[in-house]
Amino acid sequence: EPEVTQTPSHQVTQMGQEVILRCVPISNHLYFYWYRQILGQKVEFLVSFYNNEISEKSEIFDDQFSVERPDGSNFTLKIRSTKLEDSAMYFCASSEDSEASSYEQYFGPGTRLTVT
Amino acid sequence: KNQVEQSPQSLIILEGKNCTLQCNYTVSPFSNLRWYKQDTGRGPVSLTIMTFSENTKSNGRYTATLDADTKQSSLHITASQLSDSASYICVVPSPSTDSWGKFQFGAGTQVVVTP
Repeated sequence: EPEVTQTPSHQVTQMGQEVILRCVPISNHLYFYWYRQILGQKVEFLVSFYNNEISEKSEIFDDQFSVERPDGSNFTLKIRSTKLEDSAMYFCASSEDSEASSYEQYFGPGTRLTVT
Repeated sequence: KNQVEQSPQSLIILEGKNCTLQCNYTVSPFSNLRWYKQDTGRGPVSLTIMTFSENTKSNGRYTATLDADTKQSSLHITASQLSDSASYICVVPSPSTDSWGKFQFGAGTQVVVTP
C-alpha cells in the first residue's frame, strides 16, 4: 500500500540553525500539507500546497517557514532560524484532491524536531 | 477560538466495552468532517470522512454519526480492544476567501482500553 514517507525521523539542531524536513508524498497525489504537534498538544495546521504554490497557511507559518517541491517527488519544509518553541513533531500529509472533497488525507510518520 | 471541540478529554474503558466520543464544530460553511486515530508518536490515520448528506458511516468497529443541523458528530467504538488505545481526533476543513486549504483540529480524546 502506498504511504507517505518522511526523513529524518528525528532531527536535533541548535537554536538559530536552519533545518529542512523532507517528505515524499504518495505519487499520484496533488495536494500536500505540513502540520506540527507540540508534545502533549493538538495537531496544528501549518500550510497546504497545490500546483506548486501555497494554497493556505496558518498564523504559525511565518516568514521563518517555507515549503518547496524541488522535484517531482519531494516536498520540503524549511525553518530558516529555529527557535526553542519550534521543537515539535512535524507531519507531512498528501491527498488526491482538496479538503472540500471526501478524499482521504494520508499522514507520514513524522519528524521529531528538537531545538536545543 | 477553537472551532472544533471534543469531549471527553480522556476516558478509560474495559476491554470489550463500547464507548462514544463527541465532537462539536462551528466551522462554516461545512464540507466534511473527519475522524482520525493517532497512536502515540505516530501520524494520524483516517477512520471516516463524512459529508453533509451522510448521517452514519461505519469502518469496522468504528461508527461515526453526523448531525449537520446541530453541528455535532460522534464516534462510537464497539467491543473495544487493547489496540484501540489512542487519541481520536475530529477534523473539519475550514475555508478562507478562495481556498479550502485550512483545517481545524480538535484537541482529541485520549482513549485507554484496559484488560
